Amino acid sequence: GQQLNQSPQSMFIQEGEDVSMNCTSSSIFNTWLWYKQDPGEGPVLLIALYKAGELTSNGRLTAQFGTTRKDSFLNISASIPSDVGIYFCAGQLRGGATNKLIFGTGTLLAVQP
Amino acid sequence: NAGVTQTPKFQVLKTGQSMTLQCAQDMNHNSMYWYRQDPGMGLRLIYYSASEGTTDKGEVPNGYNVSRLNKREFSLRLESAAPSQTSVYFCASRDNNSPLHFGNGTRLTVT
Repeated sequence: GQQLNQSPQSMFIQEGEDVSMNCTSSSIFNTWLWYKQDPGEGPVLLIALYKAGELTSNGRLTAQFGTTRKDSFLNISASIPSDVGIYFCAGQLRGGATNKLIFGTGTLLAVQP
Repeated sequence: NAGVTQTPKFQVLKTGQSMTLQCAQDMNHNSMYWYRQDPGMGLRLIYYSASEGTTDKGEVPNGYNVSRLNKREFSLRLESAAPSQTSVYFCASRDNNSPLHFGNGTRLTVT
């Protein structure tokens, strides 16, 4: 089945460092979403992007909807230990109630205090 | 407001056994989804229900059945469990053009 190419697969960083991850697809999407999954829990939405070129921030998180509509980027500034988790991108074609998300394979982030 | 609630949280089955995973949402969402999560594979859609009374296959439906019991509840059934169905299962719900809300998952091991 179709999946998004998400990179990097994992990152091991020091507290205070900035983090960048991205997703690319061969398909064009109308919506890009970024989720975070803490251990033992379900994914939680961080940022939603609805327009090509859109740049949206949520605290220390900033995400961008690529101008080609085939990619998206997530940046985390000044990382802290609670940023640890798996980050997923997801692309979505707008199409009513039956539209479905295509998920990336995830980026595992580890932050050393 | 509990959001999306899944039961059980953990389950161990023997090959060939059957079981039903339960999911309920209290957000009055029309659409509900079942995903499985495997290492390195992200989340893959098993079945979804766009509205009460309808269900459709997702990417990996083989070996599963679903029931949209009412607007709140969407169950996933394994009739004859196989080791390949060892996974973490997530239920999710949403309204049109709104993001997915996920439950906390059911961790299933089939021996």
